[in-house]
Amino acid sequence: DTAVSQTPKYLVTQMGNDKSIKCEQNLGHDTMYWYKQDSKKFLKIMFSYNNKELIINETVPNRFSPKSPDKAHLNLHINSLELGDSAVYFCASSQVWGASSTDTQYFGPGTRLTVL
Amino acid sequence: GDSVTQMEGPVTLSEEAFLTINCTYTATGYPSLFWYVQYPGEGLQLLLKATKADDKGSNKGFEATYRKETTSFHLEKGSVQVSDSAVYFCARDTGFQKLVFGTGTRLLVSP
Repeated sequence: DTAVSQTPKYLVTQMGNDKSIKCEQNLGHDTMYWYKQDSKKFLKIMFSYNNKELIINETVPNRFSPKSPDKAHLNLHINSLELGDSAVYFCASSQVWGASSTDTQYFGPGTRLTVL
Repeated sequence: GDSVTQMEGPVTLSEEAFLTINCTYTATGYPSLFWYVQYPGEGLQLLLKATKADDKGSNKGFEATYRKETTSFHLEKGSVQVSDSAVYFCARDTGFQKLVFGTGTRLLVSP
């Protein structure tokens, strides 16, 4: 059973296009995240949602717009794609959210985005 | 700010060798510390974690001890296998479920 799934797995597109990546978790978790992993494997959080509300927004260009239609889904829409957006994007989820929580984050398999 | 520093890779070992991957963190607050592993073509998986000083996390033969005095959380394994070849990420939390990751260390184990 897939816990955190992402579609598509690979995405190749031209500069200037608009694209979306979808994420779904079937773990019943309250919190979901988007991370970006660059070509050097550096991993950085982009967004976090708790119960469909935006909690963390880490200095990400406003061309990136996350949307959480319900607790189980967190989609990432990217407008006007640029070469520098090429990366692997990981979705993750965790059970609870809060300052004292050390809850484990579960990661999806990643979406490799290539902008030409 | 909060950060994590890992040794640069790749680390290349023969099967059954002893592994150490160093990790240090900035000492703001009392973070929980984590090691995640990324196998080729896959997402990250939690390998082990420790939530307070002197805690030892362990899983699949890997161990790491939370050392507050040296702000370190080094990953060790007594005898690596080819199947351990992966990228290993050290991470700390910064409160409110925000994880900060190190840059990752690639481990290559040859038969």
